[in-house]
Formats: sequence, structure tokens, C-alpha cells
Amino acid sequence: EAQVTQNPRYLITVTGKKLTVTCSQNMNHEYMSWYRQDPGLGLRQIYYSMNVEVTDKGDVPEGYKVSRKEKRNFPLILESPSPNQTSLYFCASMSGGWVTDTQYFGPGTRLTVL
Amino acid sequence: AQKITQTQPGMFVQEKEAVTLDCTYDTSDQSYGLFWYKQPSSGEMIFLIYQGSYDEQNATEGRYSLNFQKARKSANLVISASQLGDSAMYFCAMRDLQGAQKLVFGQGTRLTINP
Repeated sequence: EAQVTQNPRYLITVTGKKLTVTCSQNMNHEYMSWYRQDPGLGLRQIYYSMNVEVTDKGDVPEGYKVSRKEKRNFPLILESPSPNQTSLYFCASMSGGWVTDTQYFGPGTRLTVL
Repeated sequence: AQKITQTQPGMFVQEKEAVTLDCTYDTSDQSYGLFWYKQPSSGEMIFLIYQGSYDEQNATEGRYSLNFQKARKSANLVISASQLGDSAMYFCAMRDLQGAQKLVFGQGTRLTINP
């Protein structure tokens, strides 16, 4: 089954404790992205990657890191999480960079930073 | 700048009725794509339907159709014969040439289907 997977689905942590949210897709897609969803703000892009070893900032990159060492994986790293990073996070992938390409989303990771 | 506006924070509809969810967009590009996603209470984002700016016919996918009015820059989602399982948040989103690497989302409409 074609899908985007994320782990963990739920995470409660404390300020300053480094964490990684994994993302993997099995559709051989070139593009992958991370979004965060906050009430009243919709979804906003954090980082994206156009291919292996090619990443760039989205609209809200501060406090986040990413890497793309393999085509299928795109982990999101919070090196020193803060309470304002409490949010619902989505990984997404799409086959290319055309405006017509559909983005497919993972199930989401609900992160709480105390 | 790219922008999506959904003016209906919440809608309540009787089961089996049709419902229209509004979406207007703003872009200076001639080439763009419009997407609708459904987010049930479980949280996942489910792709529903797509409309390209050059598509002459309105997109349809089962009970979903997209009422695309290019001159008015609107891309309303129509759900026919609504079901209880249609209760969810619905997001309109757009990608254009300026921002081809990302989707720009509206704030969403919470749809509640009453039995």
C-alpha cells in the first residue's frame, strides 16, 4: 500500500530534550515536506526537500532541522524543543514539483512540549 | 502573494443534503493547482479532489465535485448526498509556480452532518 508513515504518533516531552520525528514514504517520491498545524493558522510548511541531500526552508523553519540522506526518509529534528513547538506535525510527499502534483500526507504526530 | 480564504468556520447540514464549502484564492500566476483535503477527528489529512488552472471542466470524484470559477478565483467543494462520515474539517489548498514546492492552506471549515 502506497503510504507516508510517521513515528511516533504522539509524543510528550520537556523543554530542551532533543527529539526526532521520523518520516518514510514508499512511493519513490522526489519531494518531501514537513508542515505544522496550529489552531486558526492552518498548515504551514517548515522544511522541504527536492531530492537526496537537497533541503530548503519553508515558512516557519526556526527551531527545526531536517536531513535527507535517503530518498524514502525525511526526519524532523528538534534539537532544543520549546513549548511554542507544541503542535500537530505532518510529513508529506509528492512525485515532483509541478503545480499539478498531489501531496500525500502522513498520519500526523501530535507533539506536546512541557 | 498566494492566499487561500475559507470564510465558513463551521457548517451544519442534514444528512443526505448537498453541501457547498467555499474557497477563494489569490495568485498572480496563470498556472496553479487547487486541492481539497479532509481532516476527520482522528487527525489525518485525506486528499479529496484536484483542479488545475487550465482544466476546462470541473473536477469530480465520486460524491465530490469542485465548482471552479476562474474569473472569480473561487474553487468551492460540493459534497452531494452528505453522510454522517463526512463530518470533518475541510481544507482548501493551492500550489502555484511561485511556490511550487509547497501547498498554501486556508484555515478550514468544520462540517457537521446531523442525522
